[in-house]
Amino acid sequence: SQKIEQNSEALNIQEGKTATLTCNYTNYSPAYLQWYRQDPGRGPVFLLLIRENEKEKRKERLKVTFDTTLKQSLFHITASQPADSATYLCALPSSGGSYIPTFGRGTSLIVHP
Amino acid sequence: SQTIHQWPATLVQPVGSPLSLECTVEGTSNPNLYWYRQAAGRGLQLLFYSVGIGQISSEVPQNLSASRPQDRQFILSSKKLLLSDSGFYLCASGGSSYNEQFFGPGTRLTVL
Repeated sequence: SQKIEQNSEALNIQEGKTATLTCNYTNYSPAYLQWYRQDPGRGPVFLLLIRENEKEKRKERLKVTFDTTLKQSLFHITASQPADSATYLCALPSSGGSYIPTFGRGTSLIVHP
Repeated sequence: SQTIHQWPATLVQPVGSPLSLECTVEGTSNPNLYWYRQAAGRGLQLLFYSVGIGQISSEVPQNLSASRPQDRQFILSSKKLLLSDSGFYLCASGGSSYNEQFFGPGTRLTVL
């Protein structure tokens, strides 16, 4: 079955630096991948979708890459701010055509002022 | 965009008591609807999803059930809660092919 792996350890960085989060997956070749942000006690909020034929996608200070050979997506936040502190989840559509999203456990990002 | 309403926001229930969590959706019609549970420090576990009125698919065996009596209403129920049912319950809409999911604010359930 498909498996999604995100670093369970929190990522601590200094304000102004670039944060890079990793999402690895196995046993699957998804047509696209999504990234969500989740604040404590809140539901996840959609950030970006990247398709399998796209190498890179940008939105303001966010950049996502998708390497289908490595089966990996990288999520970058440039010029990070304390307000970027949250848990970031990657999600893939399930195999079999139903497209039901399957989520990774998420990585907590803490940006220090 | 869509808006997902969930209530209550928090709930404390004794073991063995019944449960009913309600979710309603605005801003779309005939959405795919989902119930997820998120334990502390864990990922989102899909419990149920529905592609239409009366159509429910269960992802994991458990003592929970779901119903979809109306197009934009999704209900999560239990006849007798277990301690292991504690968690953060999220209702979501959308998520079909290339579409994002919209999540509700969640219900924090504590079973004592």
